[in-house]
Amino acid sequence: EVQLVESGGGLVKPGGSLRLSCTVSGLTFRHAWMSWVRQVPGKGLEWVGRIRSKTEGGTSDYGTPVKGRFTISRDDSKSTLYLEMNSLKSEDTGVYYCTREDGYDYFEYWGQGSLVTVSS
Amino acid sequence: SYELTQPPSVSGSPGQTARITCSGDALPKQLVYWYQKKPGQAPVVIYKDTERPSGIPERISASSSGTTATLTISELQAEDEADYYCQSADSSGLYPVFGGGTKLTVL
Repeated sequence: EVQLVESGGGLVKPGGSLRLSCTVSGLTFRHAWMSWVRQVPGKGLEWVGRIRSKTEGGTSDYGTPVKGRFTISRDDSKSTLYLEMNSLKSEDTGVYYCTREDGYDYFEYWGQGSLVTVSS
Repeated sequence: SYELTQPPSVSGSPGQTARITCSGDALPKQLVYWYQKKPGQAPVVIYKDTERPSGIPERISASSSGTTATLTISELQAEDEADYYCQSADSSGLYPVFGGGTKLTVL
């Protein structure tokens, strides 16, 4: 059974930083493309960014709202995905989901989400 | 930035058919996927282009023509009440885009 478990969410002040983690089991993590998708309260789903497998370069892409502020990384030895969020804004408040992306296609497996609240 | 447009809400009575549309200029060139999301739960992919994943009932189908994709749910049941999202990619194919979501209410 594939499981993705996010952690690290919480309350942070505007301008602050937070790091989310996602531990993955049940699939070959080192071969997986991984993405973060968020849902802002009262709104829909928004793709945050992705990281490719190391065999395909290990590079990352980001959505426009977070580019330059968020960084995605991975530790294949721990089957863990990270999302480093800096210069947080109130509009970054939402539930952040870790997902396995089927290479430029769809999001097959999802975690249960981690709530991030940016508020003073 | 590229957008996919969905109606905010759709409703139907049990046993009826509901159709949810998703419009976008790049849809003729990109594949479309559909997700069901219930409150407090993670999204679940219910259609991958022309393929229905195992475990998804046959009364759920999807089609696409030109710049519009359609998710059809027949024989509506109370359990179908959820938010539905389409997902595709921009014209480059590199960046995923979600529609704004449609709330399906089973009356």
